[in-house]
Amino acid sequence: NAGVTQTPKFRILKIGQSMTLQCTQDMNHNYMYWYRQDPGMGLKLIYYSVGAGITDKGEVPNGYNVSRSTTEDFPLRLELAAPSQTSVYFCASSQGGIQETQYFGPGTRLLVL
Amino acid sequence: GNSVTQMEGPVTLSEEAFLTINCTYTATGYPSLFWYVQYPGEGLQLLLKATKADDKGSNKGFEATYRKETTSFHLEKGSVQVSDSAVYFCALTLQTGANNLFFGTGTRLTVIP
Repeated sequence: NAGVTQTPKFRILKIGQSMTLQCTQDMNHNYMYWYRQDPGMGLKLIYYSVGAGITDKGEVPNGYNVSRSTTEDFPLRLELAAPSQTSVYFCASSQGGIQETQYFGPGTRLLVL
Repeated sequence: GNSVTQMEGPVTLSEEAFLTINCTYTATGYPSLFWYVQYPGEGLQLLLKATKADDKGSNKGFEATYRKETTSFHLEKGSVQVSDSAVYFCALTLQTGANNLFFGTGTRLTVIP
């Protein structure tokens, strides 16, 4: 099993550009999550999904969109990149709810200039 | 609100030294507590967890006890190895109505031979 994979590993965006961060898991998990980690800070939840077709906002959803058309994939969309979105983004999945063990991808480092 | 406070790093220890990483929390309800570890170049992975007061989570020689009276979940290991070098995150989620995992800022541990 590959677990949770994320692409790209690193990206530089100009202000106002858009991009999609990809996340795929091969563990048939129902729950998937997107977090961001700013320097010197803990991870903060952006969006989560409890199954295909169902998504909900986390603690810091502004400036992002998500979709969940399949169990495996949970892409994160940035429509108008801003310097405040410079961060490391982690995708995670779990079989049960947020109480269960989460399995994380290696992260995507995003720099917005 | 809900939050986790970790001791600031970085922490540098010699091999076979005793490790303590402090973690305290505030929670609006009854929390479950976690320690996640991030090895260089990898995603976070669950190290151990505890779901009720006085429970001790343990894994790979690491231990942490859920102390409700002091709202703490300190991570300990009796004899660290070079391979334990990583970033350690304390986290909590509420056991009812949970839709977020609250992380501390992380503590970087470097173990030198």
